[in-house]
Amino acid sequence: GAGVSQSPRYKVAKRGQDVALRCDPISGHVSLFWYQQALGQGPEFLTYFQNEAQLDKSGLPSDRFFAERPEGSVSTLKIQRTQQEDSAVYLCASSWGMNTEAFFGQGTRLTVV
Amino acid sequence: GESVGLHLPTLSVQEGDNSIINCAYSNSASDYFIWYKQESGKGPQFIIDIRSNMDKRQGQRVTVLLNKTVKHLSLQIAATQPGDSAVYFCAENNESGGSYIPTFGRGTSLIVHP
Repeated sequence: GAGVSQSPRYKVAKRGQDVALRCDPISGHVSLFWYQQALGQGPEFLTYFQNEAQLDKSGLPSDRFFAERPEGSVSTLKIQRTQQEDSAVYLCASSWGMNTEAFFGQGTRLTVV
Repeated sequence: GESVGLHLPTLSVQEGDNSIINCAYSNSASDYFIWYKQESGKGPQFIIDIRSNMDKRQGQRVTVLLNKTVKHLSLQIAATQPGDSAVYFCAENNESGGSYIPTFGRGTSLIVHP
């Protein structure tokens, strides 16, 4: 597609359930970013990939969060044993490379009940 | 630590007025800045960017000004329209281990009254 695509758009999970969020970046984009956005706040950085290499995961809040991009294209953000504080919008962005503009997807709104 | 912040959380204007949204940054090494617009239920949308070798950049109805001396950015929207109502974020690309990570401030909510 022409833009960054994320699925699902909405996800409701019971506390303790594992979830997987998918991101399809713009074709050819080297860099891929995941962000977490709480209500009324700006996006907070989670992790960054350059092709298939995860170069920065300093923003992941705990070891329950795991991201992968095995073939340097589609990425999955997995959250294990979800907790209520994980409720947020998870945004994916991609860009051509270093120091270029990042294009965002619509996000996945995760609600943990 | 390094941060990007905004002076005004909410800005209300009348349709047709010019809007100015401000942003302060603290990382003097940052050399690339982006303004994003985020409408309700959508991801941030790129508006305009500027590199540190420039003071001003103009787009369609939007202008970004960069003052490196006081580490300040502003986004000017001319003839504001109801469709401009959204939250606006400035982001700076922070270098981290050879990579550049867009880092966002809290945002300013722009409300345009018809």
